[in-house]
Amino acid sequence: EAGVAQSPRYKIIEKRQSVAFWCNPISGHATLYWYQQILGQGPKLLIQFQNNGVVDDSQLPKDRFSAERLKGVDSTLKIQPAKLEDSAVYLCASSPRQGVGEKLFFGSGTQLSVL
Amino acid sequence: AQSVTQLDSQVPVFEEAPVELRCNYSSSVSVYLFWYVQYPNQGLQLLLKYLSGSTLVKGINGFEAEFNKSQTSFHLRKPSVHISDTAEYFCAVSPSGGKLIFGQGTELSVKP
Repeated sequence: EAGVAQSPRYKIIEKRQSVAFWCNPISGHATLYWYQQILGQGPKLLIQFQNNGVVDDSQLPKDRFSAERLKGVDSTLKIQPAKLEDSAVYLCASSPRQGVGEKLFFGSGTQLSVL
Repeated sequence: AQSVTQLDSQVPVFEEAPVELRCNYSSSVSVYLFWYVQYPNQGLQLLLKYLSGSTLVKGINGFEAEFNKSQTSFHLRKPSVHISDTAEYFCAVSPSGGKLIFGQGTELSVKP
C-alpha cells in the first residue's frame, strides 16, 4: 500500500514570496490533515478536511495561508506572502475516517526555509 | 486549555538497557492518549494508543505505556532498546476525541 506522498521535499524561498505544497493521501482515506512542525516543537494542526470540506481551520493563519482539497483527494497548502517564522516542516497526514482514536498516517513532510 | 509536556528533550541510552520516556498532560476533560515515533527521514508512525480499558497498553516494537489518571501521565517504556529504536518520540492527547495535541518530542539516542 502506497503511503502519503508529499512534494517538494525541500523548499527555500525569500520572505514575501509565495510557496505551495502538495499532498496525495492514501487511497480511500476520507480525512486529510496539514500540520506545521517548527524546529524543537511538536506538530501543530493547521487544517483538517473531511472529504473536500473543512472540519477545523481554527489555527490556520488565514491572512497568508490557504488550503484546498478539490474532489476530496489531493490537497495543496499555500503560503502567500511567506514570513521568516513560517520556516518549518509541513506534514500531511490522512486517516480512513474521522473518529475517536483514528490512526493517522503521515507523509515525510516538506521542509520550508524562509530567508 | 489542554497541553502535553514531554519532560526530557533528549534521552541517551546504551543498547539493551531499559528506557522510559516521560509524558504528562493537562486537560479538564477526558482524553485519549497516543505515542508516535519518527525515524530519521520518515513520517510519524503510531506506536500505541490508549482509548479505554486496561491502563497498560502494548504497542509495536516491544514498547508499552501506562496511563495514570491521578498523575496525568502516559509514560512510554521498553525493557531493552536496540540501535534501531533511535528516533524522535512524540506523545499526543486528544481531548474528548478531538484534534491531536502533540508534545515537543523526545529524541532517543541508543548507543552501542
